[in-house]
Amino acid sequence: GENVEQHPSTLSVQEGDSAVIKCTYSDSASNYFPWYKQELGKGPQLIIDIRSNVGEKKDQRIAVTLNKTAKHFSLHITETQPEDSAVYFCAAARGGSQGNLIFGKGTKLSVKP
Amino acid sequence: NAGVTQTPKFRVLKTGQSMTLLCAQDMNHEYMYWYRQDPGMGLRLIHYSVGEGTTAKGEVPDGYNVSRLKKQNFLLGLESAAPSQTSVYFCASSYRDRNTEAFFGQGTRLTVV
Repeated sequence: GENVEQHPSTLSVQEGDSAVIKCTYSDSASNYFPWYKQELGKGPQLIIDIRSNVGEKKDQRIAVTLNKTAKHFSLHITETQPEDSAVYFCAAARGGSQGNLIFGKGTKLSVKP
Repeated sequence: NAGVTQTPKFRVLKTGQSMTLLCAQDMNHEYMYWYRQDPGMGLRLIHYSVGEGTTAKGEVPDGYNVSRLKKQNFLLGLESAAPSQTSVYFCASSYRDRNTEAFFGQGTRLTVV
């Protein structure tokens, strides 16, 4: 069935460095790709999203790139800060009528001061 | 503006007991969803609803039932709880369709002993 693979599962960086998380998807009909941040004890919260008609989108220190041909998309966080520490999930909107988003398994990002 | 509110936040059940998780949203969203989150598994869709009076199965619907009698509420029921249903449950809602931001509740941590 449809699937979203996310790598790495854990990522540790020094404050100020960049962090990159990569996802691949299998459903070629997917056309919406959001990224969610989940802090401990809270529900996921959208941080950025991209649609299939766009190759890149930026919002301050975060950016997302999409390669529809290769069916992969990536989250880039620059100048990381300790408050960026969280679990990040990528997702893809499933084509057809089978429901909502398919999520990757998450990346635990730790930013060391 | 409360957003998406889940009750209860924590619950311990004995095997075979039943319970209902309540999700309420005040954003007039059409779509509502129930996910479960297990370690290393990401978020998996249980059931969803595209409007008042409608429900549909997601990826992992077995052992759960749902109802959407009012637009603002989405109930998740466990008729006979099993230890395999120990998880964190998240409700989410979105406006209009699956290709827009989903807003998540704070989660319900359920333990079945």
